[in-house]
Parts: sequence; structure tokens; C-alpha cells
Amino acid sequence: QSALTQPPSASGSPGQSVTISCTGTSSDVGGYNYVSWYQQHPGKAPKLMIYEVSKRPSGVPDRFSGSKSGNTASLTVSGLQAEDEADYYCSSYAGSNESPVVFGGGTKLTVL
Amino acid sequence: QVTLKESGPVLVKPTETLTLTCTVSGFSLSNARMGVSWIRQPPGKALEWLAHIFSNDEKSYSTSLKSRLTISKDTSKSQVVLTMTNMDPVDTATYYCARIYLVGATYDYWGQGTLVTVSS
Repeated sequence: QSALTQPPSASGSPGQSVTISCTGTSSDVGGYNYVSWYQQHPGKAPKLMIYEVSKRPSGVPDRFSGSKSGNTASLTVSGLQAEDEADYYCSSYAGSNESPVVFGGGTKLTVL
Repeated sequence: QVTLKESGPVLVKPTETLTLTCTVSGFSLSNARMGVSWIRQPPGKALEWLAHIFSNDEKSYSTSLKSRLTISKDTSKSQVVLTMTNMDPVDTATYYCARIYLVGATYDYWGQGTLVTVSS
């Protein structure tokens, strides 16, 4: 499976909203409602922010939301805060055959 | 409290075999709803899924690395082991283990990662 496609960078000012896209195919993003989003600060392990397209784990602010349309999933961060500056990765289930999980190339979110 | 911790060599030579161990606590490797995956991240690059194993011993491997990877588990020791043969400098990366749910391919807990450098 090829990596999911994310924009390399995104930015916004504090208080603004920003949306990061994650494009796959009908074999992964489009075929299952199993898209997750992870936040990674420098030198740290990834942290789960969204799972199953739009669900938020306990403790994740409701400023983070997820959605999907066709083969593209999106992560929206509303009310940007300085601590939201990080790398964001999407992942998707890709079926029970080989390489059942695929990640995106990552998006560097900058809070201006 | 769920934790995962990776251990293994920090430096391996080209052509050698890498063996990494993930020791988990706070959940059991016999839990039918969960498994453990290995994921790596070369410096400055994206995450790359490598392999996973579930309680019923179901295993899956990255298509591109399948011939070099072996994943196994010791439930009594709460450990998952990944071996990667014929290491190359391009395999230099931080290697993470993470807990995965059988349904949804969600990674809710991650280890801190261990940086493995491949160099002669």
C-alpha cells in the first residue's frame, strides 16, 4: 500500500481554524471508517487525537475534530493554540491483506 | 496504567540482524481485542508501519519488508519481539511499539521509541 497523501505544511494564527487533509484510495480511507489522527511533538511519541474518523479519545480537546468524504479524511483544529504546533499524521486501515495499516506522510502545523 | 517500552541495541552494523523487544504493562497480550504493532520513523521523516501481532498469534507484515521481518510474542513475559534481518543504513530510525485495537486499527498507547542507528 502507498502512503496516504497529506500536505507537508499548514499554518494558522492563534484562535483561527485549520484543516489538514489526508487522501487515500477506495482500498483504505474510502473503504473503511477507520481513519486515525496522531499529534507528534518534536522528540516525542505520537499521541492519538482522533480515531474511527471522528471520535475523540478522553482528554483530547473538542477543538480537534475529524471527518471524511470519499477517499479523503480531514482533521480540523479550531481555536488554534500555541501548543497545537506539531506534526500530524493520519492513518487508515487498509484491509486484512498485506500491510493492513498505512500512514500519511505527515503535516507540520505551524501556529503563527 | 498502560505502558509500552522498547528495548534493544542503539547501534547495529550493516548486514546484522536487529532484535527489538517491547515490554507491555497494564494490559494482557492475551486480550482478544488488542494487539501490538511496530512502527518506525527515520529521522525527520514520516511514520512507517512494520508489523503487528494479536492474541491469537495472527501476524501481518509490511509488504515491502516482509522478507526481513519476524514478529513474535511471549504472553507470560508480556513481551513482543521484532527481528529485522540484513540491516542497512536506511533502516536507521526510531522504532516504536504501540497497542492496536483489533477493530479500527487505532493506536491508543505508544512506547517512547528507541533510536537504532545502522553504521559500520
